[in-house]
Amino acid sequence: DTGVSQDPRHKITKRGQNVTFRCDPISEHNRLYWYRQTLGQGPEFLTYFQNEAQLEKSRLLSDRFSAERPKGSFSTLEIQRTEQGDSAMYLCASSTALSPLHFGNGTRLTVT
Amino acid sequence: AQSVTQLDSQVPVFEEAPVELRCNYSSSVSVYLFWYVQYPNQGLQLLLKYLSGSTLVESINGFEAEFNKSQTSFHLRKPSVHISDTAEYFCAVSRDFNKFYFGSGTKLNVKP
Repeated sequence: DTGVSQDPRHKITKRGQNVTFRCDPISEHNRLYWYRQTLGQGPEFLTYFQNEAQLEKSRLLSDRFSAERPKGSFSTLEIQRTEQGDSAMYLCASSTALSPLHFGNGTRLTVT
Repeated sequence: AQSVTQLDSQVPVFEEAPVELRCNYSSSVSVYLFWYVQYPNQGLQLLLKYLSGSTLVESINGFEAEFNKSQTSFHLRKPSVHISDTAEYFCAVSRDFNKFYFGSGTKLNVKP
């Protein structure tokens, strides 16, 4: 169990640029989640996958956000045309059925 | 839908003193309850969970939480805190292990 891995740890980008984050879940976990955390707040649900199927997306996830999990293993979260309001910590978590979430260390995005 | 309220955003306490971090939830159905801890620049780590059975659950580092159905609460307690317990603590709830809802967090600041 090597844990959930996220890359990069930090990303600074200019407004209007596109960014992509990667998450590698714990290998035997079939569920993968993306959360967003802003200063002073708890994690907010964005989307989750069971294997390669994206089962639910939050209304927080605007059209500029897209997530994929092509082979049911790693996942990517892309933000197009970034805005300053997108600055946050993006957390990935994985789990199996009937188990709690295991989180990665997050990707901190700063949009200047 | 479920929601979680953590009324105390910050709790300062002296080392070796007892502490209680409050968590209340709202749900029309039975839920599973969790406490996570987050150290600076890290992801969330599971501290303890209530699934069923005994309403008092314990962690390996001395924390305990008690599920109180009538008061819809799941407060976290520790009889004697250490400097190393300084972190942010999040209460979370899930109805079915599909979606997890988090509170806004309580920052525990242990002073020497």
